[in-house]
Amino acid sequence: AQSVSQHNHHVILSEAASLELGCNYSYGGTVNLFWYVQYPGQHLQLLLKYFSGDPLVKGIKGFEAEFIKSKFSFNLRKPSVQWSDTAEYFCAVLRGNNDMRFGAGTRLTVKP
Amino acid sequence: GAVVSQHPSWVICKSGTSVKIECRSLDFQATTMFWYRQFPKQSLMLMATSNEGSKATYEQGVEKDKFLINHASLTLSTLTVTSAHPEDSSFYICSAPAGGTKETQYFGPGTRLLVL
Repeated sequence: AQSVSQHNHHVILSEAASLELGCNYSYGGTVNLFWYVQYPGQHLQLLLKYFSGDPLVKGIKGFEAEFIKSKFSFNLRKPSVQWSDTAEYFCAVLRGNNDMRFGAGTRLTVKP
Repeated sequence: GAVVSQHPSWVICKSGTSVKIECRSLDFQATTMFWYRQFPKQSLMLMATSNEGSKATYEQGVEKDKFLINHASLTLSTLTVTSAHPEDSSFYICSAPAGGTKETQYFGPGTRLLVL
């Protein structure tokens, strides 16, 4: 079945460590790609998105993601995480007009 | 940024009762809103697309008569879980695209439903 896969269910890092969260999708054709973050007790917020152009996308709070078409991947990265980055991160793929599919999410815990 | 609210934030009900969840776009109009369901440690699953002034579009496997959706105005969509059962217990989230761009979704804070 077509899907969005996030490889890590729970990632635990110390502050200042580098972060990379994997996201792969299995849809063909044109897709728009997103990373959302959900801080504890809050609603989903958009971190960054890719529609076209430069495959390296910069988002808020120092996050970036790289779209690699040949690998059907859109991994999220941050060079140095902070305690405040502790949250749940969701990768999402938008196909067509309104068909948005989410990955299962990755819980990031940053230890101070 | 645009704000989407949901009410209530949590609800506990007895099996067999119906529960209505509201989704409002507070500072923008939304002709389309989306309803998702999220199980613990799982992904958000799109349940249906709510269309202002017309019938909702349901995803495969979602019972239309079970999850009634009404999009009565450009700022309000409601999801009614009819004759709720314990297996309907979940986290329900709505979203709406702002600025006319489908790609920019704003999410509500979610409603946690517990059916006893």
